[in-house]
Amino acid sequence: DSGVTQTPKHLITATGQRVTLRCSPRSGDLSVYWYQQSLDQGLQFLIQYYNGEERAKGNILERFSAQQFPDLHSELNLSSLELGDSALYFCASSAHITRGPKEGYTFGSGTRLTVV
Amino acid sequence: GQSLEQPSEVTAVEGAIVQINCTYQTSGFYGLSWYQQHDGGAPTFLSYNALDGLEETGRFSSFLSRSDSYGYLLLQELQMKDSASYFCAVRRPLEAKAAGNKLTFGGGTRVLVKP
Repeated sequence: DSGVTQTPKHLITATGQRVTLRCSPRSGDLSVYWYQQSLDQGLQFLIQYYNGEERAKGNILERFSAQQFPDLHSELNLSSLELGDSALYFCASSAHITRGPKEGYTFGSGTRLTVV
Repeated sequence: GQSLEQPSEVTAVEGAIVQINCTYQTSGFYGLSWYQQHDGGAPTFLSYNALDGLEETGRFSSFLSRSDSYGYLLLQELQMKDSASYFCAVRRPLEAKAAGNKLTFGGGTRVLVKP
């Protein structure tokens, strides 16, 4: 158990629908990052939150949105789903900037989204 | 823009040594990280180089040359359980604010270890 919790682990939904993916970061981590990984592809950065505020945006579609709540958990909302949105969605967390970078990111086990 | 290049696949036998190269081109650079990901699993952190030189962690070592925008991950005494994808990732500053950091990942190298 990495300490980063993602739910649900699997999600199957139809095109046009909307889903919400949830992430609880490791205890003490203030930063949450969302990544998308399509089949046999690398990790594409979507968005980052730090202590409730959006800090950076990557290749995130307008149909996607996210937020980080006061308890630091984060949700990624995917709407008007298309077949091409089928992927593994990972959440990662990292320590506050004052901690050493050698800790790296801690990833959750991911949510496998299948759009049919 | 930013890009990271690494080989797509490497095959080796148990006990062998594998070197996975990574070249990068990014705006801003703090350091180079390496992550391991088994099929269907989460990426796990292996190593981080902020300065030039070699960092050794057990059977795995990572090297960085900032002047060449190049690094590598060295896997020694390969074991079957090392079959996985390995990603290099550049840690760089956020564009707008100083606090925090951001990881940009390469496409990954699939390592297949054969008996």
